[in-house]
Amino acid sequence: SQKIEQNSEALNIQEGKTATLTCNYTNYSPAYLQWYRQDPGRGPVFLLLIRENEKEKRKERLKVTFDTTLKQSLFHITASQPADSATYLCAPTNNAGNMLTFGGGTRLMVKP
Amino acid sequence: NAGVTQTPKFRILKIGQSMTLQCTQDMNHNYMYWYRQDPGMGLKLIYYSVGAGITDKGEVPNGYNVSRSTTEDFPLRLELAAPSQTSVYFCASSYSIAAHNYGYTFGSGTRLTVV
Repeated sequence: SQKIEQNSEALNIQEGKTATLTCNYTNYSPAYLQWYRQDPGRGPVFLLLIRENEKEKRKERLKVTFDTTLKQSLFHITASQPADSATYLCAPTNNAGNMLTFGGGTRLMVKP
Repeated sequence: NAGVTQTPKFRILKIGQSMTLQCTQDMNHNYMYWYRQDPGMGLKLIYYSVGAGITDKGEVPNGYNVSRSTTEDFPLRLELAAPSQTSVYFCASSYSIAAHNYGYTFGSGTRLTVV
């Protein structure tokens, strides 16, 4: 069965450093991969989408990579700020792009 | 622009009761979804719809029903509530992701407790 793995342990980093979150998937060949941010008590908020034929995508301080050989996506936040503290969810998507399967998320804590 | 609106925000049900979770979007998205999220877990897809009059099961559909009579509305019906349905429910909508480089828009959630 399809399996999506994100580090369930919280990632603690110092303000100003680069945070790197990992998403691994098995028994799955997604055409797209999306990343979302979720704050406590709120719904997820879309951040970035990367297609299988794209190696890397950037948006402001965010960078996402997609390695279909390793079956892995990395999510980077550069110059991290305490306001970046949240849970980040990865979501591989089928070829139709219309059924997201979410990982359990990684909680990021940025300390001042 | 309200986005995706879910009501109610909180609800306590007794075992065996029924209720409908409401979801409305004003972005003219053709796709709509219902997810549930248990504490510390990822979101699991319950049902989805690719347009008015069309619905399909997701990963965990048992105990739920949906309908999609309009583009804007996608209510989720719980029949005979059970404690296992205690969860936070999120509604989401989107355009076709294959045609747009944009993801889902989620509502703020309905926190349901079945006692």
